[in-house]
Amino acid sequence: DSGVTQTPKHLITATGQRVTLRCSPRSGDLSVYWYQQSLDQGLQFLIQYYNGEERAKGNILERFSAQQFPDLHSELNLSSLELGDSALYFCASSVRGARGNEQFFGPGTRLTVL
Amino acid sequence: AQKVTQAQTEISVVEKEDVTLDCVYETRDTTYYLFWYKQPPSGELVFLIRRNSFDEQNEISGRYSWNFQKSTSSFNFTITASQVVDSAVYFCALSEARYGDKLIFGTGTRLQVFP
Repeated sequence: DSGVTQTPKHLITATGQRVTLRCSPRSGDLSVYWYQQSLDQGLQFLIQYYNGEERAKGNILERFSAQQFPDLHSELNLSSLELGDSALYFCASSVRGARGNEQFFGPGTRLTVL
Repeated sequence: AQKVTQAQTEISVVEKEDVTLDCVYETRDTTYYLFWYKQPPSGELVFLIRRNSFDEQNEISGRYSWNFQKSTSSFNFTITASQVVDSAVYFCALSEARYGDKLIFGTGTRLQVFP
């Protein structure tokens, strides 16, 4: 158990809908990262937050957004869902924003868009 | 360009065999970090090791060992005396100091260990 929690574990929804994925980092970790794992794209970095502020952005679609709250939990919002958004979404956390810290991953949320 | 290549898509071995998973990376940074993660069938990503670009010492942890060679831009992972529980997908990843903490993953190597 990495100490990172993600809810829900599974999510099934329809095209055009909006969903919210939730992540709680390990106790004491200030950085939260979101990654998407799909069969065609592999594991891709989406976005990073550090102590409530956006720190880095990757290949995140405009339909997707995230935030980190004062209690350090984070949410990833996916809207106008398409079939291609079906994937496993991971949240990870690390101690601080210092370079090269290992990231500990949550169990993931499996999103299925029908 | 930042890139991680794991050329071996799938490897099958019989228990107790040694196996090496290859990882080749590309970066223009002089300061970077390399990682290995394990993804067992249950799906979670488990951190195995972190190495920074200034530390070329090889590392051994039980049956696991890692060989970092800057001259060939490789960070290979060897499992000695493999066990069925080692069956998983293994990912090599890179992060570069100038691009923050994001991890760039390779495509993974699926290891199947048969009894």
